[in-house]
Amino acid sequence: EAGVAQSPRYKIIEKRQSVAFWCNPISGHATLYWYQQILGQGPKLLIQFQNNGVVDDSQLPKDRFSAERLKGVDSTLKIQPAKLEDSAVYLCASSLRGQAYNEQFFGPGTRLTVL
Amino acid sequence: GENVEQHPSTLSVQEGDSAVIKCTYSDSASNYFPWYKQELGKGPQLIIDIRSNVGEKKDQRIAVTLNKTAKHFSLHITETQPEDSAVYFCAASIGSNYQLIWGAGTKLIIKP
Repeated sequence: EAGVAQSPRYKIIEKRQSVAFWCNPISGHATLYWYQQILGQGPKLLIQFQNNGVVDDSQLPKDRFSAERLKGVDSTLKIQPAKLEDSAVYLCASSLRGQAYNEQFFGPGTRLTVL
Repeated sequence: GENVEQHPSTLSVQEGDSAVIKCTYSDSASNYFPWYKQELGKGPQLIIDIRSNVGEKKDQRIAVTLNKTAKHFSLHITETQPEDSAVYFCAASIGSNYQLIWGAGTKLIIKP
C-alpha cells in the first residue's frame, strides 16, 4: 500500500514570497491533516479535512495560510506572504476516519526555510 | 488551553537497558493516548496507543501505562536496541475526540 506522498521535500524562499505544498493521502482515507512542526517541538495541527470539508482550522493563520482539498483527495497548503517564523517542517497525514483514535499515517514532510 | 507535557526532552540509555518517557495531560475528557516514533527525515509513526478504559497495554518490548486519576501516561521500552534511537511523541485526544494535542517530544539515544 502506498503511503502519504508530499512534495516538495525541501523549499527555501525569502520572506514575503509565497509557497505551496502538495499532499496525496492514502487511497480511501477520508481525513487529511496538515501539521506544522517547528524544530524541537511536537506537531501542531493547522487544518483537518473530512473528505473535502473542513473539520478544524482554528490554528491556521488565515491571514497568510490557506488550504484546500479538491474532490476529497489531494490537498495543497499555501503560505502567502511567508514570514521568518514559518520556517518549519510541514507534515501531511491521513486517516481512515476523523476520530482521534484512528491511526494517522504521515508523509515525510516538507522542510521550509524562510530567509 | 489544553496541553500535554512530556519529559525528559532527551534520554540517553545503554543498549539493553530500559527507557521510560512520561507525559501529563490537562484535559480530563481525554480518552485516547497514542505514542508516535519519528526517525530522522521521516514523519511520525504510531507505535502503540491506549484508551482510557485500560490501565496498561503491551506489545513485545514496548508498553504504555495510564493513570487517569493523576492524568499521566508513560512509555516503557525494554531491552533497548540501536534502532530504538529516534524522537518519541506522546499525544492525547481533545475536542470531542476528533483532534490530538502533542507533547514536545523526547529524543532517545541508545549508546552501544
